Amino acid sequence: RKEVEQDPGPFNVPEGATVAFNCTYSNSASQSFFWYRQDCRKEPKLLMSVYSSGNEDGRFTAQLNRASQYISLLIRDSKLSDSATYLCVVNPGGGSQGNLIFGKGTKLSVKP
Amino acid sequence: GAGVSQSPSNKVTEKGKDVELRCDPISGHTALYWYRQRLGQGLEFLIYFQGNSAPDKSGLPSDRFSAERTGESVSTLTIQRTQQEDSAVYLCASSHRGPSSYNSPLHFGNGTRLTVT
Repeated sequence: RKEVEQDPGPFNVPEGATVAFNCTYSNSASQSFFWYRQDCRKEPKLLMSVYSSGNEDGRFTAQLNRASQYISLLIRDSKLSDSATYLCVVNPGGGSQGNLIFGKGTKLSVKP
Repeated sequence: GAGVSQSPSNKVTEKGKDVELRCDPISGHTALYWYRQRLGQGLEFLIYFQGNSAPDKSGLPSDRFSAERTGESVSTLTIQRTQQEDSAVYLCASSHRGPSSYNSPLHFGNGTRLTVT
């Protein structure tokens, strides 16, 4: 099982749609979780952190399910500008503080 | 303020040559990371610095790859005897604290696009 797995998509949705992405991780001891966004041929940028209690930032909602080892991202009222690749990122922890493991990303395309 | 700066932005080199990639992190950021991204692929972790030491260099793919950081600032990634499979975008990121901190997101540079011919 890969450390961080995501459905690569693409997800093609109309403007205004609600879309959800899931991401699973293999290390049950993982400590922190994030969603990053990467536009085509650009560097990744932090979208939001994912807290145990779940968190919301405007149209974006992130959830963490430790028992099933997955995190999710929900985007409501999709905009054309939401088109990008969404990267699930996990810190597996460890003695060296570990490192951030990036999923391969889920591609979202929002159409007019 | 200034973000993470990487140079060169593009590098074309012949197979077998050595290359040096430079990263200037955001001032005051103690953690610095190198990732590699091949075309159409995800980010591949290479090495992580906390200050000038590298507690995690598990991602370096071979002994042809090395990296150093000095003055808790600039970092250089060196690839010796480049091979065609080294062609990728090399991304540097920095953060205020280590990777486990929720309040310390990674800030990425624009990357160096390396092409080995």
